[in-house]
Order: sequence, then C-alpha cells, then structure tokens
Amino acid sequence: KQEVTQIPAALSVPEGENLVLNCSFTDSAIYNLQWFRQDPGKGLTSLLLIQSSQREQTSGRLNASLDKSSGRSTLYIAASQPGDSATYLCAVNYGQNFVFGPGTRLSVLP
Amino acid sequence: DVKVTQSSRYLVKRTGEKVFLECVQDMDHENMFWYRQDPGLGLRLIYFSYDVKMKEKGDIPEGYSVSREKKERFSLILESASTNQTSMYLCASSLGLPPTEAFFGQGTRLTVV
Repeated sequence: KQEVTQIPAALSVPEGENLVLNCSFTDSAIYNLQWFRQDPGKGLTSLLLIQSSQREQTSGRLNASLDKSSGRSTLYIAASQPGDSATYLCAVNYGQNFVFGPGTRLSVLP
Repeated sequence: DVKVTQSSRYLVKRTGEKVFLECVQDMDHENMFWYRQDPGLGLRLIYFSYDVKMKEKGDIPEGYSVSREKKERFSLILESASTNQTSMYLCASSLGLPPTEAFFGQGTRLTVV
C-alpha cells in the first residue's frame, strides 16, 4: 500500500529560525511530489511541485528537495515568520491521483 | 492563475436530504477530484474524473456520487445525507495524465444535523 508520512506532526519555533519539514513515502515509483500549505478552515495552497527527475525546487524562502531512492522529501523554510504558521502537507503523485501525508502543523512565535 | 471555485464555504443540511456540492475550474483541466478531510484521517479521495462523463471511485465512494457533464464542472452528490458525512470537502483540478500540479478550491464545510 502506498503510504505517506510526515514528521514532525507539530512544530513550534521562534520567529527567524530556519526549519525543515519531512515527508516520507513507501513506494518510490512516483511521478511528482507537491507541497501545500493549509490555513485553518481553508483549502490547500500549492507551494512547490517537484518532478520525479528533479532534485530540488525553490520559491522565495522555500526550498523543497526530493530523494526518490530513499523515499524522502524535505521542505526547508528560511527565516521563518509568524505568517508562515499553517499546516504543511505533502502529496505524492503515483500516476492516477495524489496520496497525501497527514501534515505538519507549524507555529512560528513572534 | 488557476482558479478552482466551490459553490459554498459553509452548508448545513438535514439528515436524509440530497446534497449537491459544486466545483468549477477555469483552466481547462482534464482532471478533477473530490476529497474529504477529517481530523486524524487526513485527506481521503472520494471520486475523480479524467474527462467529461468519466468518473472513477476513490478510496471512500460509499454514500456519494458524482457528475461531470461539462469539462469545467464537477459535482459531488450526497444521495441521502447522514451525520457521518459532516466534514470539510475539497475539490481539486489538474492537467494531464499522469496528473501534474494540483490546484484546490477553498473548501466546503458541510454539517449534517
């Protein structure tokens, strides 16, 4: 069964810290992996998409890496801000649809 | 920018009612998806569609049906709403097969009383 896990489940950091969120998947035969942000009670906002042939993608203060062989992706957030507080989800595309991780709830304290 | 619009942010319905949740996307995407999201269970796929009039069951299709008569619109139907269908419902769309980047709507919080 294709499963996606995320560690940690929750994280609280002071403003300005750099942080790493982790996503692991059991089946490495992926097409792509996508990171999302979700604010409470809202839909998902796409942050970064990494194709299976890529090693990393960057957007502003965000950098996502992908290691298909080990079944891992990380989302690096530089110089965190209170506005980054949200739940971050990764989703793995196995060809038909997306399998989602449970998310990491991030709190950035002023 | 891709826009996925769900018809309602909040809905309250009575047990036994027939409920329609509507989703419209404006980027000519072939693929559309319906998920429900519950605390501790994450996002679970209900149904998806690769083309007009095409539909595929996801992981939890029981109690739901879908309709895709036009490419831009994907409807989720609760034939007879029950309290265990109280949830956040999320619609998404994407291009191509296999699907590329997914874009989500703002979500519909459905409460069945």
